Amino acid sequence: DAGVIQSPRHEVTEMGQEVTLRCKPISGHDYLFWYRQTMMRGLELLIYFNNNVPIDDSGMPEDRFSAKMPNASFSTLKIQPSEPRDSAVYFCASSQGNNSPLHFGNGTRLTVT
Amino acid sequence: DQQVKQNSPSLSVQEGRISILNCDYTNSMFDYFLWYKKYPAEGPTFLISISSIKDKNEDGRFTVFLNKSAKHLSLHIVPSQPGDSAVYFCAASAVGSYQLTFGKGTKLSVIP
Repeated sequence: DAGVIQSPRHEVTEMGQEVTLRCKPISGHDYLFWYRQTMMRGLELLIYFNNNVPIDDSGMPEDRFSAKMPNASFSTLKIQPSEPRDSAVYFCASSQGNNSPLHFGNGTRLTVT
Repeated sequence: DQQVKQNSPSLSVQEGRISILNCDYTNSMFDYFLWYKKYPAEGPTFLISISSIKDKNEDGRFTVFLNKSAKHLSLHIVPSQPGDSAVYFCAASAVGSYQLTFGKGTKLSVIP
């Protein structure tokens, strides 16, 4: 079990550029979550999927943020255009549901200058 | 409005002593609680959980206590070891929900 895999580990980009974060969940996990961690707000849920279908995206901050899950083994979180206030660590997590714990990836540290 | 609060940003404990990390919640719909541990540059890893039908759950050196009337839970680590130094997050989910709401974390330092 390779765990949840996120790429890239670090991303530095200029304001206005498009950023795409990638996630491969653990095989067999039906739920996929995108979280953002900042000093001010801690870990916030952005969106989660069940069986590749977005269930709740109420945490997505603005229309600049979008997430997709084209198949059970891949998800993307896109920010277009990026802004300095988007700088944070973005975590992807997966679970089997039914109160089973979330397994997190190691995160992508995004810096927007 | 923070629904899960960890009021101590940091805690220092001597090796071999007990570490007690606290967490308060405000949402009475929360029925499942978890603790995660996070090392720098890594994602949070699951440590221990407790359902609202219990008031205690133990796993080795780690014990979680739940006081539903006070909307309070705590994580006890005994004996504390230097490798336990990390940030600990309390998290909760509501009935029928798969979403976890996290506290802001407590940084534990275990001093050798």
